[in-house]
Amino acid sequence: DQQVKQNSPSLSVQEGRISILNCDYTNSMFDYFLWYKKYPAEGPTFLISISSIKDKNEDGRFTVFLNKSAKHLSLHIVPSQPGDSAVYFCAARESGTYKYIFGTGTRLKVLA
Amino acid sequence: SQTIHQWPATLVQPVGSPLSLECTVEGTSNPNLYWYRQAAGRGLQLLFYSVGIGQISSEVPQNLSASRPQDRQFILSSKKLLLSDSGFYLCAWAGTVDSPLHFGNGTRLTVT
Repeated sequence: DQQVKQNSPSLSVQEGRISILNCDYTNSMFDYFLWYKKYPAEGPTFLISISSIKDKNEDGRFTVFLNKSAKHLSLHIVPSQPGDSAVYFCAARESGTYKYIFGTGTRLKVLA
Repeated sequence: SQTIHQWPATLVQPVGSPLSLECTVEGTSNPNLYWYRQAAGRGLQLLFYSVGIGQISSEVPQNLSASRPQDRQFILSSKKLLLSDSGFYLCAWAGTVDSPLHFGNGTRLTVT
C-alpha cells in the first residue's frame, strides 16, 4: 500500500524554465511534508518542508505547495539549473508518529 | 554542527553470511534514528526506527534486525543474508518533532 505516490518517474525541463514535481498521498493523518534531492550513490539531501497548517513555503528557488483537500503537494523550482538534475523524493510524516514515508521518486533532468 | 557517519560505503557478501552495518551521529543528543533501504529502481523503504536506546520499531518483517546500544549509534544486522537483501541502505536521524530527516551517505550492499 503506497501511501505517498509520485506518479511521474521522470521529467525533462529546459534550463531557466520552471520544474514542477508532484506528489499525492492517501493518509489524511500526515501532517508534515518534505522534499529531498538525491544524487546516485549518495544519501538524500533535505530541500524544503511544509507543515499541514500552511499551504505554501518558499526557500530561494524552491517553493512547496500543499493542497490538503486534494491530498497533493508539489515542488516548484524556478529557474531550473543543470545542477538540479537528480532524483527528487517527497516524504510525509504521520501525526503523532516518528515515521517518515517516502514516495518512489521523480528523476528530473534539466537540459542546458 | 551535526554529522552522521555510515560505513562501509560498499559491501559484497555471499548468501547466508551475516551482516552488520553501523551508523553514528555526532553533535546532537537523543536523536530519532532510522534505517531505510532503496532497492534498484524503487523508492525509500522504511525498515526500522528508534526513539531511544533499546527502543526499536520494525516496519517490514524480514530477516533483518536493528539495535541501538548507545544514544547515537544504530546498527543494522542480519544472521543470514538473502539475495533479496541487496540494495542501498541509508541511515538517518531527526531531532525535534518538526524537523527533517538527515541522511548518511549510504551503504551499497550486494549479496551474491
